[in-house]
Amino acid sequence: DIQMTQSPSTLSASVGDRVTITCRASQSVGTWLAWYQQKPGKAPKLLIFRASSLNSGVPSRFGGSESGTEFTLTISSLQPDDSATYHCQQYHTYPPTFGGGTKVEIK
Amino acid sequence: QVQMVQSGAEVKKPGASVKVSCKASGYIFSDYYMNWVRQAPGQGLEWMGIINPSGDSVRYAQKFQDRVTMTSDTSTSTFTMEMRSLTSEDTAVYFCARSLWGNWFDPWGQGTLVAVSS
Repeated sequence: DIQMTQSPSTLSASVGDRVTITCRASQSVGTWLAWYQQKPGKAPKLLIFRASSLNSGVPSRFGGSESGTEFTLTISSLQPDDSATYHCQQYHTYPPTFGGGTKVEIK
Repeated sequence: QVQMVQSGAEVKKPGASVKVSCKASGYIFSDYYMNWVRQAPGQGLEWMGIINPSGDSVRYAQKFQDRVTMTSDTSTSTFTMEMRSLTSEDTAVYFCARSLWGNWFDPWGQGTLVAVSS
């Protein structure tokens, strides 16, 4: 199975900060990568697909990029509503696998 | 709007079986597959398997191959996941999530808590 390693596992930042979360795949997944946002007690919501395509309705402060097997989710200006756990997922190869998640807290 | 509504929370004893349902609406049922994903308390997301809408093609994660059965009912637009021989390790929230084959998951059902305790 392809291993997805996310970092950091937790981060704390202030409103307005630029936040970056990284996800590294154990082998090539092309751009077959998605990012999800999950709030406590809720289901994950799709933010980004194909590494950098923003899902409909997702604020433009969210962005995704790819460099080889390393993927980045960036929040350009952190907002209080962005407090959540973020998960990456590769869907290049079955079984689809997820990173361990990054919990974003607001200072 | 597209949505999947899952069945309610379950409490089961070790060794028992559980069925979780996922009723889809707001889209053409035959156009999309359904995945099942679980999340143990405080843990990450774990993919369990995928089923096509007609129910005649199913792919399971190796870990669940022997204990899980996924089915589809086109007459009610409902997918069902059954897990047998439950242990405390199966305590988790179980989600259904729509996708095309080999694609991202969107949207997800609200989740169903399955608690296994003696």
